Amino acid sequence: ELKVEQNPLFLSMQEGKNYTIYCNYSTTSDRLYWYRQDPGKSLESLFVLLSNGAVKQEGRLMASLDTKARLSTLHITAAVHDLSATYFCAVDLDNDMRFGAGTRLTVKP
Amino acid sequence: ETGVTQSPTHLIKTRGQQVTLRCSSQSGHNTVSWYQQALGQGPQFIFQYYREEENGRGNFPPRFSGLQFPNYSSELNVNALELDDSALYLCASSLGRTGYTFGSGTRLTVV
Repeated sequence: ELKVEQNPLFLSMQEGKNYTIYCNYSTTSDRLYWYRQDPGKSLESLFVLLSNGAVKQEGRLMASLDTKARLSTLHITAAVHDLSATYFCAVDLDNDMRFGAGTRLTVKP
Repeated sequence: ETGVTQSPTHLIKTRGQQVTLRCSSQSGHNTVSWYQQALGQGPQFIFQYYREEENGRGNFPPRFSGLQFPNYSSELNVNALELDDSALYLCASSLGRTGYTFGSGTRLTVV
């Protein structure tokens, strides 16, 4: 059975600090997504990673994919309060996506 | 270009009742997927429809069923509601595997 494991599940950061969220998965996939979810809201697409070695950056967030290690990372640089949210990775299995449990990020002033 | 629209936004049902949730896909998208997100958890895949045919199903019982219409809009039907069915139901549309756009969700409460 496919497992998608994120860690940490909870992350409290100070503004200005850097941190990395990890997403490990247990089956072959060539496509991985990162989403952001604010409380009570839907999912906002952040990144689509389509190949081994893919790296994408948007503002203070950078995502990477290593398909051989079955690992994706979401790196946060110089965190700001507005980044507080829950972040999900999701593995594309062709006709469905399997999500991790999410990382609840809180950025404190 | 319109996004993915779900209705209703909230509803409350009694255990044992039936419910229908609706999703209008983004213009040009031919694939619709449904997810259940319980409080504090990640979304769980229910099923996917591609060109009006079911194209994959997660680990949900048969009382969860769906339809996709010629205009690619979709319905999720749940029969014999249970308390554990209380969740946020998310619809996502896509054009093949080119990326998924999620709707704002329907919050279902079963009492």
